[in-house]
Amino acid sequence: DTEVTQTPKHLVMGMTNKKSLKCEQHMGHRAMYWYKQKAKKPPELMFVYSYEKLSINESVPSRFSPECPNSSLLNLHLHALQPEDSALYLCASSQDLGEPYNEQFFGPGTRLTVL
Amino acid sequence: LAKTTQPISMDSYEGQEVNITCSHNNIATNDYITWYQQFPSQGPRFIIQGYKTKVTNEVASLFIPADRKSSTLSLPRVSLSDTAVYYCLGASGGSYIPTFGRGTSLIVHP
Repeated sequence: DTEVTQTPKHLVMGMTNKKSLKCEQHMGHRAMYWYKQKAKKPPELMFVYSYEKLSINESVPSRFSPECPNSSLLNLHLHALQPEDSALYLCASSQDLGEPYNEQFFGPGTRLTVL
Repeated sequence: LAKTTQPISMDSYEGQEVNITCSHNNIATNDYITWYQQFPSQGPRFIIQGYKTKVTNEVASLFIPADRKSSTLSLPRVSLSDTAVYYCLGASGGSYIPTFGRGTSLIVHP
C-alpha cells in the first residue's frame, strides 16, 4: 500500500468553526508533513513530524494545530480561520527525516474554503 | 535554503522531447535534486531524483553537471497527459527538508 489518504476531500467552514483534517498512511513511514498550497503557487511547508514528534513548525499561526496520534495518522485542527486560509492542504509522508534522498508520498489534498 | 529557479511555463507538442532546466546555485554538498509532477487538484508525485551525472527511470532522465549548480529534467516523447506542473526541489541546506520552487507549467499540445 503506497497510498496516503486524506479526509475530507472538500471542507467549507465559517470563521468561528472548529474542524479537523485527517491524513493516514500505512507504509511504515516515520516522517509526516502538512503543506498548504494556494492556487498557481507551489506547496508551502507548514509542519513536519518525525517519529510522532513535531520537528518543524514553519512559523504557522496558532489557529492551525497539528497532532500526530500515532505513526500512521496525522491531524490538522483548525480554529478561527480567516478567508485567506482557503487553500489546498496536502499531507505527505516519507520513510524518514534527515536523509538526503527521501521520496515524499502525497495525498490528494483537502480543498478548504473559509467563509 | 537551496533555492531553485526554473522557467514559469513551457509549451510542447505530442511526441517531442521536453527539457526543463532548474538552477540551484547554492546547493549544499549533501543535497539531492528531486523532481515532482503535479496535476490540478492533486498532490505532487515523485518523478526522479539524482545527486550527480545522469539518472534514468521509466518516466524521465535527469542530467546534473559536475558543478551541480543546475539540473535538467528530460521527458521523452511527451503526450497530452504530461501536461502538468513540474517542480524542482532542493533540500533545505543540509536539513533534508525539501523546498518546492515555483514550478514549471508544461502544456503539451496535440
